[in-house]
Amino acid sequence: KQEVTQIPAALSVPEGENLVLNCSFTDSAIYNLQWFRQDPGKGLTSLLLIQSSQREQTSGRLNASLDKSSGRSTLYIAASQPGDSATYLCAVFSFGNEKLTFGTGTRLTIIP
Amino acid sequence: AAGVIQSPRHLIKEKRETATLKCYPIPRHDTVYWYQQGPGQDPQFLISFYEKMQSDKGSIPDRFSAQQFSDYHSELNMSSLELGDSALYFCASSLLTSGGAEFTDTQYFGPGTRLTVL
Repeated sequence: KQEVTQIPAALSVPEGENLVLNCSFTDSAIYNLQWFRQDPGKGLTSLLLIQSSQREQTSGRLNASLDKSSGRSTLYIAASQPGDSATYLCAVFSFGNEKLTFGTGTRLTIIP
Repeated sequence: AAGVIQSPRHLIKEKRETATLKCYPIPRHDTVYWYQQGPGQDPQFLISFYEKMQSDKGSIPDRFSAQQFSDYHSELNMSSLELGDSALYFCASSLLTSGGAEFTDTQYFGPGTRLTVL
């Protein structure tokens, strides 16, 4: 059974700093991994998707990496802004499971 | 660009009542997923459909049922509601692509339906 863990559960950093969010998963047999952003009480916004054959994906100030063999992914946010404050969730789509398994999320607060 | 549409956005029901949530996927997407997110919890998979056939089932109570219609929209029916059913219910859609080994494309999530059971 796939398990996804995100550490830390919460993170506060001053505006302008670069930061890294971590995601780990137990079963490396995955199709892809997605990073989402969720604002309080709101829906899920897909940020980046990395296919199992890829090592990283970039979108603006965001860069996601994937090391399938070690079961890890990181989301790098450059030059953080107060608007980046949200909960960030990673989710993996595994072989044999027609669904996403979500991590517990990291609640990010950017301090102006 | 068109996104996933869910209705209603908010729903308040009494215990033991019935609720129906609707999901309209992105045009041409053939796969629909339902997720339940309780307060302070991560989303949990309920059920999915591919080309109008159920493709996988997660931790969905027997009181819940769902289907995907010919126009690809999906409905989640919830009966004998309990207080613990209060949650955000998300629908997501994607286009199943294949090329050698099958893999799915990005799942796009709707805004969710907030169900409150009193």
